Amino acid sequence: DTGVSQDPRHKITKRGQNVTFRCDPISEHNRLYWYRQTLGQGPEFLTYFQNEAQLEKSRLLSDRFSAERPKGSFSTLEIQRTEQGDSAMYLCASSLATRAYEQYFGPGTRLTVT
Amino acid sequence: AQSVAQPEDQVNVAEGNPLTVKCTYSVSGNPYLFWYVQYPNRGLQFLLKYITGDNLVKGSYGFEAEFNKSQTSFHLKKPSALVSDSALYFCAVRDRGNTGKLIFGQGTTLQVKP
Repeated sequence: DTGVSQDPRHKITKRGQNVTFRCDPISEHNRLYWYRQTLGQGPEFLTYFQNEAQLEKSRLLSDRFSAERPKGSFSTLEIQRTEQGDSAMYLCASSLATRAYEQYFGPGTRLTVT
Repeated sequence: AQSVAQPEDQVNVAEGNPLTVKCTYSVSGNPYLFWYVQYPNRGLQFLLKYITGDNLVKGSYGFEAEFNKSQTSFHLKKPSALVSDSALYFCAVRDRGNTGKLIFGQGTTLQVKP
């Protein structure tokens, strides 16, 4: 499969625990995006990378959230001290920088905080 | 700020009938507009985009969209709906600048009944 993959697909955690999600983009894509989608809403931008550099972060990304893309390939999104309001689908997308409008989305990680 | 609006939470149509899912936009400058589809527990799949050129854009699975600058609309259409078209549809606009960040509408659920 040469598409965007995300792991895990589902995560249930208790409030206060830390969670980490992984995204593997399409191999030749140098841009990687994270979005969050809550029930009944469209995806909202969280952050994006070009290669290993994190170039923009949304105000939605509180201090409890951190994202990395250490070698310019896969990316991780960590949420510390999870809250019930963090329950959402976390979507990853990738693109070429020269065609940034053509984003390919992964299947998402659904987080449930109990 | 760039934004899109999808005025209908749900659209119901009978199989074989034409369908329209509405989207209006508000942008500064020339819009880059997109339609994505999301099936249950799946990521977003790209349907089509308008960058420039013909106002009628053809996309995947027989869908098309009409860009109307005077009405600031980008409605999604299909001449003959299939039950398998039932899904959640999102309109999106590219944010200003070169980030490629997408701004999504809240989504419209399309229900096609046999």
